[in-house]
Amino acid sequence: EAGVAQSPRYKIIEKRQSVAFWCNPISGHATLYWYQQILGQGPKLLIQFQNNGVVDDSQLPKDRFSAERLKGVDSTLKIQPAKLEDSAVYLCASSSEGGQGSPLHFGNGTRLTVT
Amino acid sequence: GDSVTQMEGPVTLSEEAFLTINCTYTATGYPSLFWYVQYPGEGLQLLLKATKADDKGSNKGFEATYRKETTSFHLEKGSVQVSDSAVYFCALKRGATNKLIFGTGTLLAVQP
Repeated sequence: EAGVAQSPRYKIIEKRQSVAFWCNPISGHATLYWYQQILGQGPKLLIQFQNNGVVDDSQLPKDRFSAERLKGVDSTLKIQPAKLEDSAVYLCASSSEGGQGSPLHFGNGTRLTVT
Repeated sequence: GDSVTQMEGPVTLSEEAFLTINCTYTATGYPSLFWYVQYPGEGLQLLLKATKADDKGSNKGFEATYRKETTSFHLEKGSVQVSDSAVYFCALKRGATNKLIFGTGTLLAVQP
């Protein structure tokens, strides 16, 4: 089966600019996650969708970050305006169900550098 | 809140050495436990998992046993190869939202 697709692979922007990332989960996967991975740290959940509804966005900086999952398939994550501390790899993941034992399948991520 | 603690890296071993990467967790109830691996330039891949106490997850020669009494899920491999060089993440999943909570990762470098 095709894996989780993300684009772009790399992005360099200046602070205060905006940026958007795109994710296409594995076909049929109802649950979609966006994680932020800062260099040297473990991934941190930003937002979790079940179909097109938000399940958890408690760690999403809502003053600058937004995410949507239209039609319960593709998702976009946007940052506006970007700050230097947003430099990180943004990972998208999906799972076939939200169950506790169900593993997440990750994309290769988008590496964002904010200068 | 729930959390995962991993041993600090980097861990540097010679080929064919025995590997242990320690992982302990804090969580109420009975989480599921996972090890993910991130090879250079690649995304996170599931290595193994265990969903209840005393379960042993295994894959590619790696093993980890879910120990509820010590809240641990240590990763082991009897004989590492250069190709095992990667960052290893321990993670847990629990609760109504079933989000995956990661440790900070342990870099393993295997020398020939």
